[in-house]
Amino acid sequence: GEDVEQSLFLSVREGDSSVINCTYTDSSSTYLYWYKQEPGAGLQLLTYIFSNMDMKQDQRLTVLLNKKDKHLSLRIADTQTGDSAIYFCALRGSSNTGKLIFGQGTTLQVKP
Amino acid sequence: DAGVIQSPRHEVTEMGQEVTLRCKPISGHNSLFWYRQTMMRGLELLIYFNNNVPIDDSGMPEDRFSAKMPNASFSTLKIQPSEPRDSAVYFCASRTSGASTDTQYFGPGTRLTVL
Repeated sequence: GEDVEQSLFLSVREGDSSVINCTYTDSSSTYLYWYKQEPGAGLQLLTYIFSNMDMKQDQRLTVLLNKKDKHLSLRIADTQTGDSAIYFCALRGSSNTGKLIFGQGTTLQVKP
Repeated sequence: DAGVIQSPRHEVTEMGQEVTLRCKPISGHNSLFWYRQTMMRGLELLIYFNNNVPIDDSGMPEDRFSAKMPNASFSTLKIQPSEPRDSAVYFCASRTSGASTDTQYFGPGTRLTVL
């Protein structure tokens, strides 16, 4: 079945870059997403990338997609303490019903 | 837009009691999703609706869980009877199936504690 894997925890210092990685098994997904969950809140869409793109940049965020290796990454430049949250990778399931397959989430801890 | 609205935000109940969680999707969205989040199991999709019709309820844990969507602006998730292992944060999300990106918009969640 479809599977999305993420490392569970990442710790960086304020001002450094953070790179959160995600691997997946379903190569037919057309869109891949990054969601952010702050403490006590729901998931919020950060950015997404279409499967025919290799890279997408949005201010401090850079998404890289390696379709051959089925690897997606999110780079946050100049990481701030406000970036501390759980980051979820997600992709649209192959059944084309609108269902999203989420990874387990990576907890990003930013130390001052 | 007010976003996805969930109520209550927190619910504490005793084992065996009935619990009803409520969700109002974003106006104009025609797909609605119920998720459960726990430390042990992460984010799990319980059920989702397209145009008020349940499409996939394979994630519903057992018969104690039921979900309804009587109209496009309201859905409920009911647990009867509740058990301590149902303690979790329950999220509702909605999307518009007409959009190409399938982006889901999440509510703030209901934190359920079953004693």
